[in-house]
Amino acid sequence: QVQLVQFGAEVKEPGASVKVSCQASGYSFSAYQIHWVRQAPGQGLEWMGGINPLSDDTNYAQMFQGRLTVTRDTSTSTVYMELNNLRSDDTAIYSCARRGSMAGTGFDYWGEGTLVTVSS
Amino acid sequence: QSALTQPASVSGSPGQSITISCTGTNSDVGAYNYVSWYKQHPDKAPRLILYEVSHRPSGLSNRFSGSKSGNTASLTIFGLRAEDEADYYCCSYIGSTGHYVFGTGTKVTVL
Repeated sequence: QVQLVQFGAEVKEPGASVKVSCQASGYSFSAYQIHWVRQAPGQGLEWMGGINPLSDDTNYAQMFQGRLTVTRDTSTSTVYMELNNLRSDDTAIYSCARRGSMAGTGFDYWGEGTLVTVSS
Repeated sequence: QSALTQPASVSGSPGQSITISCTGTNSDVGAYNYVSWYKQHPDKAPRLILYEVSHRPSGLSNRFSGSKSGNTASLTIFGLRAEDEADYYCCSYIGSTGHYVFGTGTKVTVL
């Protein structure tokens, strides 16, 4: 079955960077884009960006341009999300999600999320 | 890119039908039939319930129905049940940039 596995939690100081992983299994890794969505405490979902594992093409939301890097490792079917220059308002659950086969097919599988806390 | 606008809360009694709206612009919701809807229970991952405005993933209940008119998409839940109590989010693809934008979210309460 399709699974997106994320681990635990991270605590970072303001100004630091965080790198969150998402390991996929149960399907052909290169065939589906992986996107990142975050949710601050008590807030809504926010799309951050995504990657096409086949082409390595990435696409980032304007508000994260310059701070966000999404990469993939095809040997381990893992996608990484790195966010730099962390601020307190970056405290959120960061989730990876598989996009369906086409742009309109939505995010059909989700990881359980990684809580990132930014605090001094 | 501003979040799509949803009502903060909608409520209904068991067995009733409710509709949640999702209003965007002619650059997102109005531009393509690429609106999806997600259901999220507290402290759980979101779950896809509709894609391409009105298509249900395999195995999803036909009590969930979607439509779109102009820049507004809508999710209707028929025959409301206690387990429908959750947060619901719409999401639209933005073709000009390849980006996505979520709605502000709607809390559904079953009275």
